[in-house]
Amino acid sequence: NAGVMQNPRHLVRRRGQEARLRCSPMKGHSHVYWYRQLPEEGLKFMVYLQKENIIDESGMPKERFSAEFPKEGPSILRIQQVVRGDSAAYFCASSPGLSQPQHFGDGTRLSIL
Amino acid sequence: ILNVEQSPQSLHVQEGDSTNFTCSFPSSNFYALHWYRWETAKSPEALFVMTLNGDEKKKGRISATLNTKEGYSYLYIKGSQPEDSATYLCAFSGGNNDMRFGAGTRLTVKP
Repeated sequence: NAGVMQNPRHLVRRRGQEARLRCSPMKGHSHVYWYRQLPEEGLKFMVYLQKENIIDESGMPKERFSAEFPKEGPSILRIQQVVRGDSAAYFCASSPGLSQPQHFGDGTRLSIL
Repeated sequence: ILNVEQSPQSLHVQEGDSTNFTCSFPSSNFYALHWYRWETAKSPEALFVMTLNGDEKKKGRISATLNTKEGYSYLYIKGSQPEDSATYLCAFSGGNNDMRFGAGTRLTVKP
């Protein structure tokens, strides 16, 4: 039973490019969460999605960031026109429900040159 | 309290010591309180999820309590071991489907 799979593990982009981060939740989990860990900081909630719906995106910057969780396929966190400040570790987690423990992926380390 | 606050920020104990730390969260619109253990270079691992006032959960030497009326949870580690060294995160989920993490307590257990 595979855990939460995130890819790529490391992603390097130049300023102005787009970054796409993928997250496949655990089998049977319909809730997906994205978090960001900036250097020297803790985990910050970004967005919570259920299949095809964004439930809460209060932690996600209004500009350049978007997330989706289509009916088929992984959840995608998309960052357009990346800037240096987007360099961070992005973690995805999934759970069967909001009051259930979340299982985390290994994260994607995004570096912006 | 509008955010999730954890104290202390870091803690150094000797092997064998028992220790505890605190998570404070909004006492209104409560849905669940989560504790996670996060080792360096790994991803967070779920320890407990508590939903009811007065809940107590235990997993080996680690236990947690919950007071939703006053908005706090304690995590206890009995007889700390070096392998307990990690950052312990608590996260509050509210009735508005929001999810907020505290900054964590970094525990170092010296042999």
